[in-house]
Amino acid sequence: DPKIIQKPKYLVAVTGSEKILICEQYLGHNAMYWYRQSAKKPLEFMFSYSYQKLMDNQTASSRFQPQSSKKNHLDLQITALKPDDSATYFCASSRGQGTGNTLYFGEGSRLIVV
Amino acid sequence: GQQVQQSPTSLVLQEGENAELQCNFSTSLNSMQWFYQRPGGSLISVFYNPSGTKQSGRLTSTTVIKERRSSLHISSSQITDSGTYLCAMELGSNNRIFFGDGTQLVVKP
Repeated sequence: DPKIIQKPKYLVAVTGSEKILICEQYLGHNAMYWYRQSAKKPLEFMFSYSYQKLMDNQTASSRFQPQSSKKNHLDLQITALKPDDSATYFCASSRGQGTGNTLYFGEGSRLIVV
Repeated sequence: GQQVQQSPTSLVLQEGENAELQCNFSTSLNSMQWFYQRPGGSLISVFYNPSGTKQSGRLTSTTVIKERRSSLHISSSQITDSGTYLCAMELGSNNRIFFGDGTQLVVKP
């Protein structure tokens, strides 16, 4: 059974709309992350959370807002969607945040904005 | 600029051949990891290797932090080894992880 659950797996959205990508991890980890992978760029770090607190933000646009309602949840809200937002969004987690912590990834949510 | 450079970009092997994947970093780093990704699939950690040599079955990783490089050696390649191998470096006080573009490996029968 997958330990990091991402929903939905696939999503087609209209330009200008708003979507939420869901991520839940059942590994008992304290740190969670969002990464984005598109055809044009390598896997990019977006956000990191530790104990539900934002630790690092590499995303310039405020249209991307992570939301953590529980320690094992880190959702990603994207507003005013643009075609350039089309990518696969991966959620990841690690036991802690810091050197020595291996990342575990979810299966990804593939977003297409038309 | 790109902080993590991987080579080759792609590699095609006959089953049974060996592969050597390289990763070079443009800056000092805390640690590095190798990941494996199937087409359209999730990433799986292959090695967490901050320094030295680690082996797991047919895979061997060697990291030389001082020289800012790491390699992944795959011996006796199998068709199921096909996929993308990504190296990632961990740096800074936030231990942010940056990925390379990956090496796409195709192993043919």
